This record gives sequence, structure tokens and C-alpha cells, in this order.
Amino acid sequence: DTEVTQTPKHLVMGMTNKKSLKCEQHMGHRAMYWYKQKAKKPPELMFVYSYEKLSINESVPSRFSPECPNSSLLNLHLHALQPEDSALYLCASSLGILPGGYTFGSGTRLTVV
Amino acid sequence: AQTVTQSQPEMSVQEAETVTLSCTYDTSESDYYLFWYKQPPSRQMILVIRQEAYKQQNATENRFSVNFQKAAKSFSLKISDSQLGDAAMYFCAYRNAGGTSYGKLTFGQGTILTVHP
Repeated sequence: DTEVTQTPKHLVMGMTNKKSLKCEQHMGHRAMYWYKQKAKKPPELMFVYSYEKLSINESVPSRFSPECPNSSLLNLHLHALQPEDSALYLCASSLGILPGGYTFGSGTRLTVV
Repeated sequence: AQTVTQSQPEMSVQEAETVTLSCTYDTSESDYYLFWYKQPPSRQMILVIRQEAYKQQNATENRFSVNFQKAAKSFSLKISDSQLGDAAMYFCAYRNAGGTSYGKLTFGQGTILTVHP
């Protein structure tokens, strides 16, 4: 298995809803990432988990809450989002210090209404 | 902090022709990695090619090759024999080597490549 699987592919939520994005990989990668990407812009790093511990939080608002229950699974819990949070959310994983080990999922297209 | 600059927001090429996408970067580090990623409308970021800064030889992957000029901090991507499936947004990315067990990628702004039949 050489994939990063993200679910759901599309999500529409209201500003008062609570939802979660899921990311899964079975490649033995020990670093996992959440990126946010606006249309025609580069991905922006949100969080990094290394060996299931949060290593980087790029000053992301608390309405985004990451969770890494085990080495294969990464969640992003969403609550009280704003319309400007609408974007493509990409998950990635990597082997760590080895170069080129990044594998990206195909993303979740989130729309906040 | 590292920065990556792609000065060409859009490029176009005829099928079977060659096109070069430009990328420059700024860093004070001596050891790092550089990448080109492709993002088609399907949204998934696909690794096209990578280059280790300590290697003088330019990386090549089939029709894709890079021109890595370390002193000039330049990392351009050449696509030969362009195909319709090459149409996508291309991102240049940088990552420091070593230090931690994970790597933070810094992306350029991207170049939209159109391939004309």
C-alpha cells in the first residue's frame, strides 16, 4: 500500500457544525502533516505529527484540532469554522529525514456555509 | 527563513515540445532537498523529481530533468516531449536536511502549465 487515503473527499458544513477529516496511511511513515490549500495557491502547513506527537502547530486557530490516535491515522477535528476556512485540506506523510518520502493524499474539499 | 520563488505564474507548450519552469530559492543552509511537485485537477500532489543539494549531478526522471545551480540558488524543471497529461500546476519546494525526524516543505507560488495539442 503506497497511498495516503483521505475521507471524505467533499464536505459541506455549517458554521455551528462539528466534523472531522480523516487521513490514513499504511506505509510505516512516522511523520504526518496537515496542509490547507486555497485555489491556485501553494499548500500552507498547519500541523506536523512526528512519532504520534504534535511537533509543529503553525499558529492555527483552535477551531482546528488535530489528533493522531496511532501511527497510521491522522484526524482533523473541525468546530465553529468560518467561511474563509473553505479550502482543500491535504494530508501527507513522510519517512522522516529521508528525502523525497512525502506522499500526499488527494485532499478533502471543505466548504463552510 | 527559507523562501521559494516561481516567477512564471503560467506557461504553455505545444505537445511534443520542451518547456522549462523556473524556480529560485533563498536559504542560508548548505544541506537541503529540492522538489518539483505536480498537482493536476484531480488535486493530488505528485512528486515529479527531487534533488539533494550535496549532489552535483542533476536529477533526471524519464522526460523530466532539472538544472540545479547551487551557487545561483536556481532549480529549474525541464519537461521534454510534453504530453497532454503533463498539464497541471507545478510547485517547486524546499526542505532542510537533517535536524529532525520530519521535514517542513516550503512551496513556491506555483506555475500553471497548459499543453496544447
